[in-house]
Amino acid sequence: AQSVAQPEDQVNVAEGNPLTVKCTYSVSGNPYLFWYVQYPNRGLQFLLKYITGDNLVKGSYGFEAEFNKSQTSFHLKKPSALVSDSALYFCAVSKAAGNKLTFGGGTRVLVKP
Amino acid sequence: EAEVAQSPRYKITEKSQAVAFWCDPISGHATLYWYRQILGQGPELLVQFQDESVVDDSQLPKDRFSAERLKGVDSTLKIQPAELGDSAMYLCASSNSGGTRTDTQYFGPGTRLTVL
Repeated sequence: AQSVAQPEDQVNVAEGNPLTVKCTYSVSGNPYLFWYVQYPNRGLQFLLKYITGDNLVKGSYGFEAEFNKSQTSFHLKKPSALVSDSALYFCAVSKAAGNKLTFGGGTRVLVKP
Repeated sequence: EAEVAQSPRYKITEKSQAVAFWCDPISGHATLYWYRQILGQGPELLVQFQDESVVDDSQLPKDRFSAERLKGVDSTLKIQPAELGDSAMYLCASSNSGGTRTDTQYFGPGTRLTVL
């Protein structure tokens, strides 16, 4: 079975400061890892993914994530947070191309001006 | 930019009634997914289609839920009868599982169901 853990329910950060949202995963074989963001009463918006290759993945809106196989982690980062980054962030894993995504419980990010 | 379309955006119904949700995936996407997201949780897969065929419905409560994708394009998810515990956001996603194998799932805006 595959699973994702997002250990923080909420992350608070001041605008302009670095933002990190943590994610660890469990899956058999090589993981397909994704980050999505959700704004209130909206669907999920794709940010970035790791399939293979460079462990540092760059995505939309200045976000990036680092794949660490030994720690089974895929933390999301942004060097300088904006108030508009305040939203709900989901990490997800799939064990193969085209398979279902298993999501973590989500982390709410609050960026204060 | 192409998007996944869903309707209605909001639905309020009474328990024991029937409800139906519609999804139109991004043009050319062969794989379509229905997820359910309970408030405060991550989405969970209900059913996955490859073209018109179901490839995973292991988490679909088949006594009350049904899904179809008759022509391999748009899809309908039905609940009959609705129960209080069905109150949730129902999300549709699609992906291109073809030659590029990018397999990024793109989500629609969702249908928020409230069962009274």
